[in-house]
This record gives sequence, structure tokens and C-alpha cells, in this order.
Amino acid sequence: QKEVEQNSGPLSVPEGAIASLNCTYSDRVSQSFFWYRQYSGKSPELIMSIYSNGDKEDGRFTAQLNKASQYVSLLIRDSQPSDSATYLCAVNRDDKIIFGKGTRLHILP
Amino acid sequence: KAGVTQTPRYLIKTRGQQVTLSCSPISGHRSVSWYQQTPGQGLQFLFEYFSETQRNKGNFPGRFSGRQFSNSRSEMNVSTLELGDSALYLCASSLNSGANTGELFFGEGSRLTVL
Repeated sequence: QKEVEQNSGPLSVPEGAIASLNCTYSDRVSQSFFWYRQYSGKSPELIMSIYSNGDKEDGRFTAQLNKASQYVSLLIRDSQPSDSATYLCAVNRDDKIIFGKGTRLHILP
Repeated sequence: KAGVTQTPRYLIKTRGQQVTLSCSPISGHRSVSWYQQTPGQGLQFLFEYFSETQRNKGNFPGRFSGRQFSNSRSEMNVSTLELGDSALYLCASSLNSGANTGELFFGEGSRLTVL
């Protein structure tokens, strides 16, 4: 089992709808979880971090964490064409930040 | 505030050669992490340096090495290049250990092509 798994996509979502991105991780001892966004040809940038079970909201973004199920998700409300990018889930494991391969999100105008 | 600066941005090498990549972190940041990004494997952790010490290392062969200087600038070296080393090498800085905070600020990367 890969350490951090994401569906590669592409995930196509109509503009204005909710985009739901999912991630599972293998190591139960992981305590810190992150979502990075990477535009094509650009470097990743941190958009959300979450450390406790439940939801964390920041503007149009909501991160959800369920440690019992080893599951992290990112919801993007009112999706905009500018949200089209690859979203990388990252987990702190063994004192390293490990990334999933990312989910490509395409917002349809 | 200047961001993370990586040099060179692009380079082409042949098999068997060696390469050195440089990274200047954001001013005041003490940690530098290096990642290799390829379409097939995604972002893979190479190593992290904090206060001139290697804190952690990923599952890469010994041909991949790095160091950090007293001004926090970091270099990574790849010796005896192989075709499979062709990738985008990303450097990320963080104020303290990136592994602790997860708040990594990435540079634009150095794209290495091995022929």
C-alpha cells in the first residue's frame, strides 16, 4: 500500500459546484496533514493544514480529517476556473513530509 | 520578501556526469528540504537539512547527496547520472523543521535532463 494515495483524476467539476478531493494514508501514527495546490508548470503551494479530527474551514476551502479511517479530504465550494490545478495531499510520517501523487482538478466554465 | 531561489533552472547532462543544484531559502528560514518530482512517481522526498545538519533522508541511492551552509543555503549533488534521474528537483524552505510544521515554501525548481 502506498503511503499517501489519491485518485489521479482528472476530476471535472462545473463552475460554482463543490469539488471534493480525497486522500488516504497508511501510517496510523501520522499527526499532521496538508493540502498543496500546484498549477501547471508551477511549484506546489500550501493551502490548508489540519491536525485534529473534524473539519477546518478557510474561505471556500474545507479540510476534513478522520484519523480512524485514515482519510483526509478537501472540499472547494463555489469552484472557480482558477481552482483548476493539481491538488497534493501530504502527510507527516517518520519526520518527513510525504506527498501523494495528486489529483488533477478541472473546473468547467 | 524574496522567495526560494533555485539555480540553475534548466540543465542538460549526459549519463555518468555529476550535477550540483543550489537553493537559497527565504531569509530567516533555517530548514531546506529537497524533493524530486516526476510524472510517474510524483513528489519524492530526498532529504532535509536544518541548521547545517541532515535531519532526514529519503529512499534514494547514495549518489544523491546534499549539504547546507551556515547561511542556510543548500546544495544537492547527484553523481554518476542515470537517465532515470531526469526530473524536476524542488527545494522547499521552512522557518523551522519542515517535517514539524509541514509549511514548505517551494522554489521554482531545477529541471534536469539526462541524455
